[in-house]
Amino acid sequence: DAGITQSPRHKVTETGTPVTLRCHQTENHRYMYWYRQDPGHGLRLIHYSYGVKDTDKGEVSDGYSVSRSKTEDFLLTLESATSSQTSVYFCAIGEVGTATDTQYFGPGTRLTVL
Amino acid sequence: KNEVEQSPQNLTAQEGEFITINCSYSVGISALHWLQQHPGGGIVSLFMLSSGKKKHGRLIATINIQEKHSSLHITASHPRDSAVYICAVIAAGNKLTFGGGTRVLVKP
Repeated sequence: DAGITQSPRHKVTETGTPVTLRCHQTENHRYMYWYRQDPGHGLRLIHYSYGVKDTDKGEVSDGYSVSRSKTEDFLLTLESATSSQTSVYFCAIGEVGTATDTQYFGPGTRLTVL
Repeated sequence: KNEVEQSPQNLTAQEGEFITINCSYSVGISALHWLQQHPGGGIVSLFMLSSGKKKHGRLIATINIQEKHSSLHITASHPRDSAVYICAVIAAGNKLTFGGGTRVLVKP
């Protein structure tokens, strides 16, 4: 298995509080991604990074920010959590440009915003 | 309309049966990805393909770029194949667009 960890694995928080999720990799991959998975919507891209300090938005980036100060860590921040951000968050690493690429997923973080 | 549509949404099979999951997409792509999500939530990459067919064990993935369609086949299905199978396409840049998934249950 690719070396990807996510922390925390579970979190319950209240509306309006800031939350930071961490993705850590030991594979030295340039590309890292944050997805959310919701019933009825499947997986959706929030933000991704293509290098240290290089990030870009995905299709559901509103309300989220990211930072990548080191190759191995990609942080996802909810500045002021809302109930609509209750979801399972997956981090992934690996380039997906061609059929020879692949992507490896972390174990997920279940976030509940009350 | 979603860019990536999977069918069926749910599938129940008896152990040993041949299973087919379909994925259709509406945009031009550079490659297509099949993923498996275990009941515990973990997601594993099965195949990435841009043409033809790939096989790994009892799993076979095919793609027809002209028809914008891919299929994932499971031969001699087993209860341990019970999972959600997810199709995703690479349409622009290094980003995946996902289908809604097909939930497969294989009964012993």
